[in-house]
Amino acid sequence: QLQLQESGPGLVKPSETLSLTCTVSGGSISSTSYYWGWIRQPPGKGLEWIGHIYYSGNTYYNPSLKSRVTISVDTSKNQFSLKLSSVTAADTAVYYCAVVAGTTEFDDWGQGTLVTVSS
Amino acid sequence: QSVLTQPPSVSAAPGQKVTISCSGSSSNIGNNYVSWYQQLPGTAPKLLIYENNKRPSGIPDRFSGSKSGTSATLGITGLQTGDEADYYCGTWDGSLSAYVFGTGTKVTVL
Repeated sequence: QLQLQESGPGLVKPSETLSLTCTVSGGSISSTSYYWGWIRQPPGKGLEWIGHIYYSGNTYYNPSLKSRVTISVDTSKNQFSLKLSSVTAADTAVYYCAVVAGTTEFDDWGQGTLVTVSS
Repeated sequence: QSVLTQPPSVSAAPGQKVTISCSGSSSNIGNNYVSWYQQLPGTAPKLLIYENNKRPSGIPDRFSGSKSGTSATLGITGLQTGDEADYYCGTWDGSLSAYVFGTGTKVTVL
């Protein structure tokens, strides 16, 4: 079972860029068996898929966020990252990183990190 | 607004059974595997069911999944107080080219 841990600032100002990192342990981020993803959950609301990345760099983004999202992989650190630009209060959420090890399901999740957008 | 619709809440007494529906369309449930996730209060979601009806290691057989056409169902038998949580379905949507989650269902044990 893979372990994932999110890290990054808990407070971001409006119009700035949200940056989070997910550190993977118990497996290699370069494995051809996995896709790496980000999901978010606004307070009191449901889950929203942000995007996936394959170790090769192939990415898949939520169309509603695509213009503002970048997901990247750092194989040397066994990490992958999320950048979300031009944030507003609507981007306030708990952000989760997760791994897809099978077909499309998210098999393992990080504990999540709350990011608040506020001046 | 989610393309997968779930009932906001279901409830039953301990030991009873509940079912949670997830309604979609041919672009998502109709042509892709469905997964189910359990989110206990204050915790990250956890995979309960994958590929419509398979359980990951460690998930008790009280939890079951099924799919028919453009709908999927999660069943929980022998309901326990520890099952009180939010439950989400999820699948790939080929038209949106996006992974989509259901609206979520809160299970209450009476």
